[in-house]
Amino acid sequence: EPEVTQTPSHQVTQMGQEVILRCVPISNHLYFYWYRQILGQKVEFLVSFYNNEISEKSEIFDDQFSVERPDGSNFTLKIRSTKLEDSAMYFCATKSGNTETQYFGPGTRLLVL
Amino acid sequence: GENVEQHPSTLSVQEGDSAVIKCTYSDSASNYFPWYKQELGKGPQLIIDIRSNVGEKKDQRIAVTLNKTAKHFSLHITETQPEDSAVYFCAANTGNQFYFGTGTSLTVIP
Repeated sequence: EPEVTQTPSHQVTQMGQEVILRCVPISNHLYFYWYRQILGQKVEFLVSFYNNEISEKSEIFDDQFSVERPDGSNFTLKIRSTKLEDSAMYFCATKSGNTETQYFGPGTRLLVL
Repeated sequence: GENVEQHPSTLSVQEGDSAVIKCTYSDSASNYFPWYKQELGKGPQLIIDIRSNVGEKKDQRIAVTLNKTAKHFSLHITETQPEDSAVYFCAANTGNQFYFGTGTSLTVIP
């Protein structure tokens, strides 16, 4: 069964550094999402992406965040200057055009020191 | 925006018993309600979903009910097994994003 994959599985970085989280969507999916989950809390929506542009974003997704699909396959989330409070699990999710169902990747655990 | 509340936060049941997890939502425009199971160290996995034009859906030991008037929906797991132990999240879909509940940690005691 096709799966969403994410790399790296874990990342430790220093505060102020840039990080790039990568996602490979299921091949025929057209809609892409990033969510984050701070330890012990609910999964929170960050951003949705369709047709090479952001379609919706939350208040969390400020100017420090950006997304792109650089090569037509990977979908990336960049955090420009990480803060301690960016430490969380980051999940990519994707869906096809004819269903509401979003399929989640295994997540990247980001730790900012 | 949408607000999803989920109860209980933790639930322990004996193997073979039933487990029920309840969620409420605030936005009457929400029209799709998935349930996800999250095992330790993994991403959320869809286990069942229901659309707003349906009141109940069942898939083997798992069922979901939806009351649109009251804006609540519930997950029912019957004949629970130890492998059902995980964190379960409900979600409501309004437009292009999911709003998740706070999760329920289910423990099935053998």
